[in-house]
Amino acid sequence: SQQGEEDPQALSIQEGENATMNCSYKTSINNLQWYRQNSGRGLVHLILIRSNEREKHSGRLRVTLDTSKKSSSLLITASRAADTASYFCATGGYQKVTFGTGTKLQVIP
Amino acid sequence: DGGITQSPKYLFRKEGQNVTLSCEQNLNHDAMYWYRQDPGQGLRLIYYSQIVNDFQKGDIAEGYSVSREKKESFPLTVTSAQKNPTAFYLCASRNWDSSEQYFGPGTRLTVT
Repeated sequence: SQQGEEDPQALSIQEGENATMNCSYKTSINNLQWYRQNSGRGLVHLILIRSNEREKHSGRLRVTLDTSKKSSSLLITASRAADTASYFCATGGYQKVTFGTGTKLQVIP
Repeated sequence: DGGITQSPKYLFRKEGQNVTLSCEQNLNHDAMYWYRQDPGQGLRLIYYSQIVNDFQKGDIAEGYSVSREKKESFPLTVTSAQKNPTAFYLCASRNWDSSEQYFGPGTRLTVT
């Protein structure tokens, strides 16, 4: 079964707007990762946030983690058409990582 | 350039035939993984390997087999016992001290 569930399943925004997607998970974690997948391609790692961190930034990406609520959010600021992709959260340790169901983001030029 | 290669990109087979998907990495990563992705779905773990000559079943191993004879290679065989083999298959690798996984471009398998 999936550990993470992303919300919303799909999101459509205009270029320049911010995009926020959420991930909820079920069990305690050491870290949480976010990945991006362009259509028909492999996944690309975006960012990792550890369980003792509450917020992390990387370029236009901002990730928050609330371990008390077992949830994380990914914010993409000033979105671009090239950000159109599916975004997945992933939890787990070194050995196994479990991926969520993904949020499909469409950025309209 | 370091990376993971999967071949072929598209694969077509008749029902009842076994098929082997290739995955090669030159990142010197210890761990390798096979995932299956169905349309609009997340990734499901088929098999993973932490070291050469050792591998473990993932969540959906039935109907699949793997080998890890070399650090660089982790081929996946989809056997005729797999009831719904048509899917997008992704291979990934990871260094021993990191959670980050590096993915190949995927192989889309269609069985008719």
